[in-house]
Amino acid sequence: AQKVTQAQTEISVVEKEDVTLDCVYETRDTTYYLFWYKQPPSGELVFLIRRNSFDEQNEISGRYSWNFQKSTSSFNFTITASQVVDSAVYFCALSEAVANDMRFGAGTRLTVKP
Amino acid sequence: DTGVSQNPRHKITKRGQNVTFRCDPISEHNRLYWYRQTLGQGPEFLTYFQNEAQLEKSRLLSDRFSAERPKGSFSTLEIQRTEQGDSAMYLCASSLIGYEQYFGPGTRLTVT
Repeated sequence: AQKVTQAQTEISVVEKEDVTLDCVYETRDTTYYLFWYKQPPSGELVFLIRRNSFDEQNEISGRYSWNFQKSTSSFNFTITASQVVDSAVYFCALSEAVANDMRFGAGTRLTVKP
Repeated sequence: DTGVSQNPRHKITKRGQNVTFRCDPISEHNRLYWYRQTLGQGPEFLTYFQNEAQLEKSRLLSDRFSAERPKGSFSTLEIQRTEQGDSAMYLCASSLIGYEQYFGPGTRLTVT
């Protein structure tokens, strides 16, 4: 069965600090997809990234970077030089088949203080 | 704006009443998903459609819940005989086959 664990319930940082959000997953499939979504106070989930299990290359997009390590079943998300607008709940999710149902973690609430 | 839209955004109903929510996906997307999210939790999968066919249903989708996507475009989610435990945010998402899901703003249901 698929499972996603986000052990950090809440994180609070001061603006310009770097912050890493942890995600650990469990799956028996060899083909799977990992996702990160952002849910700002407005409530709408915003897609950030998708990774398939065969692509372990780390990715950087502006201040965002993702570290995928199959050896530790982790898909961590780092925000560099955090900003107040980064304050949101961030969800990691796993899909064991091509874009079928996703299993979400419980989310990490990030608060960035000015 | 051509994103996923959901109506109504908020619904307050009394226990025992029926409610229906609507989701309009991104127009070219052939997959449509329903999720439920309660406070402090991640979204939980309920069901999904590929075109008009309902391909998968979660155990969370009790007999009181029914979803349709009659022409492969918009979808409705109906809850019959609502219970207080049904209070949640109901999220709709759409995608192309094999690609990431894009979510709507959700319908917040409160059962009193």
